[in-house]
Amino acid sequence: QKEVEQNSGPLSVPEGAIASLNCTYSDRVSQSFFWYRQYSGKSPELIMSIYSNGDKEDGRFTAQLNKASQYVSLLIRDSQPSDSATYLCAVRVIWGDLNFGNEKLTFGTGTRLTIIP
Amino acid sequence: GAVVSQHPSWVICKSGTSVKIECRSLDFQATTMFWYRQFPKQSLMLMATSNEGSKATYEQGVEKDKFLINHASLTLSTLTVTSAHPEDSSFYICSAREVRDLLSYEQYFGPGTRLTVT
Repeated sequence: QKEVEQNSGPLSVPEGAIASLNCTYSDRVSQSFFWYRQYSGKSPELIMSIYSNGDKEDGRFTAQLNKASQYVSLLIRDSQPSDSATYLCAVRVIWGDLNFGNEKLTFGTGTRLTIIP
Repeated sequence: GAVVSQHPSWVICKSGTSVKIECRSLDFQATTMFWYRQFPKQSLMLMATSNEGSKATYEQGVEKDKFLINHASLTLSTLTVTSAHPEDSSFYICSAREVRDLLSYEQYFGPGTRLTVT
């Protein structure tokens, strides 16, 4: 079983609609959760971070976390063509002293999202 | 703020040669930097974690003698791919975490370096 699983897509959503991206993770000690957007040939850009159960909203983006179900999601409202990208889910585990880099981000394989004008 | 740069942005080298990639935190100090590799249509895979002034910690399956990491200062980490082969061709991305913000959960990513070995 992969540590972080995402539907690879592609996911096609009409412009103006809501895009829903999902992610599940296997390590119950995961403590922090992130959504990154990656355009082709570019490095990841942080979109949202979430640390506790529930919803977190930032502009058109809402992240949802359910630790009991080991599930994270990202909703993008009023989808724009510029939102077309691959979205990576990442989970972080921290152990020991952060001063010594005792943390690890594990990424999913990403969901390719296409917004159709 | 929180800008991470990488140099070069792309490099082409011949098989058997070595390539050095630099990762710099431009406006903050980073005790810890991370090196990732991404093959086409795959996700980022952590290669190693480097701490300023100490040896890097490599992930399982990553050859430490082939991928030399040096984190000599709080703003610079280097990755040297030694005796590069075509299978080392990939997108190498570094990230850094700000030293004063130990509770921050955000790693700042560099723009990446695309390595092609011919």
